[in-house]
Amino acid sequence: DAKTTQPTSMDCAEGRAANLPCNHSTISGNEYVYWYRQIHSQGPQYIIHGLKNNETNEMASLIITEDRKSSTLILPHATLRDTAVYYCIVRVNTGNQFYFGTGTSLTVIP
Amino acid sequence: DTGVSQDPRHKITKRGQNVTFRCDPISEHNRLYWYRQTLGQGPEFLTYFQNEAQLEKSRLLSDRFSAERPKGSFSTLEIQRTEQGDSAMYLCASSFTESNQPQHFGDGTRLSIL
Repeated sequence: DAKTTQPTSMDCAEGRAANLPCNHSTISGNEYVYWYRQIHSQGPQYIIHGLKNNETNEMASLIITEDRKSSTLILPHATLRDTAVYYCIVRVNTGNQFYFGTGTSLTVIP
Repeated sequence: DTGVSQDPRHKITKRGQNVTFRCDPISEHNRLYWYRQTLGQGPEFLTYFQNEAQLEKSRLLSDRFSAERPKGSFSTLEIQRTEQGDSAMYLCASSFTESNQPQHFGDGTRLSIL
């Protein structure tokens, strides 16, 4: 029972903004949206999370729609090192595990 | 580096052997999590601890899998009588107690069963 839906893969030109969408139409009112990325042979790296307000940090921006049924992760100036699998996660409201799904494979093209 | 540390990074063993992996979390974190990741899939939750208490273990894959965190600091994950299907990356993560806090992951232990 997937909690989020993401495109399987995306390409982005180096230096351009990468916009990664995520649908989470069954999100509950107290569930946060988290984004992680994973580069081959490394563990997932935390990027950003939010509840309902847009969030920004040194890595990315998170835009959450008003109805909270979808969100977009924005990497403002993609570099080759941003090539990775990006996971959008809604914390399961029973227990504390994350359900990762299969994510979006982002390829940044020179 | 004060991130999550896992040891060993790679483990190759024969089918039927027992293996144990260690995870050292970020020192201030109370919670510790274990995940398994197979090729092409996202990480799959196995179990987690709040300090030394194991609060969720129903997702452990079989009774051959067990985890401990005896003093609320480092944790071990043991697989007994390994099988071919146990080949995977085993990831550890830690976090603060508050439910909205993100988990921070180590780089995992890659297990290969011959």
